[in-house]
Amino acid sequence: QSALTQPASVSGSPGQSITISCTGTSSDVGGYDYVSWYQQHPDKAPKLIIYDVNNRPSGVSNRFSGSKSGNTASLTISGLQAEDEADYYCGSFASSSTLVVFGGGTKLTVL
Amino acid sequence: EVQLVESGGGLVQPGGSLRLSCAASGFTFSSSPNWMCWVRQAPGKGPEWLANIKPDGSVKYYVDSVKGRFTISRDNAKNSLYLQMNSLRGEDTAVYYCARESSGRSLDYWGQGSLVTVSS
Repeated sequence: QSALTQPASVSGSPGQSITISCTGTSSDVGGYDYVSWYQQHPDKAPKLIIYDVNNRPSGVSNRFSGSKSGNTASLTISGLQAEDEADYYCGSFASSSTLVVFGGGTKLTVL
Repeated sequence: EVQLVESGGGLVQPGGSLRLSCAASGFTFSSSPNWMCWVRQAPGKGPEWLANIKPDGSVKYYVDSVKGRFTISRDNAKNSLYLQMNSLRGEDTAVYYCARESSGRSLDYWGQGSLVTVSS
């Protein structure tokens, strides 16, 4: 059972926007502005797409954006494209010996 | 270009041991703030952070489920990260990734992964 809670699946049509939520506690998501998001295509390693809640690494499309309110963080993907179909995981710094916790993942289907 | 390449995975019997290696290139491995970590992902599950190590190797943290069984280490002269895994159990079966930690403990570079299967 993952520390952070994500919906199992979301879907959207090309061009639409979708939002994936990630709910934690005050010991992780709610306590720090250190939420990250990862995209994982089948049989590939996860790829960082958002760090520190709402920052994009160099080379990541500006169609990806992040936000946080209380103990819940969100990833929004605008202008959905077929290549966005993947699994998405949130991660957060945590104030425990487990310094980093992850969500169970959300499968995005582009219809 | 940053590259992380894991090796050492395979099939091992319950109670056995395995040592994973991760060869790093494309960045100054030994310099601050390049903490390194190991993360695993069981089939169909989310990633699980296991352990990390400070650039000079002086500080290490572990998730409770592997404390006392797994040991993380690094050799800065060889630009390499290691994970010694002892007393392996079936639930340790997963793809193991090495990764570089960045701002806010985000993981900005990952290796391709090494499959560890614990089974008799």
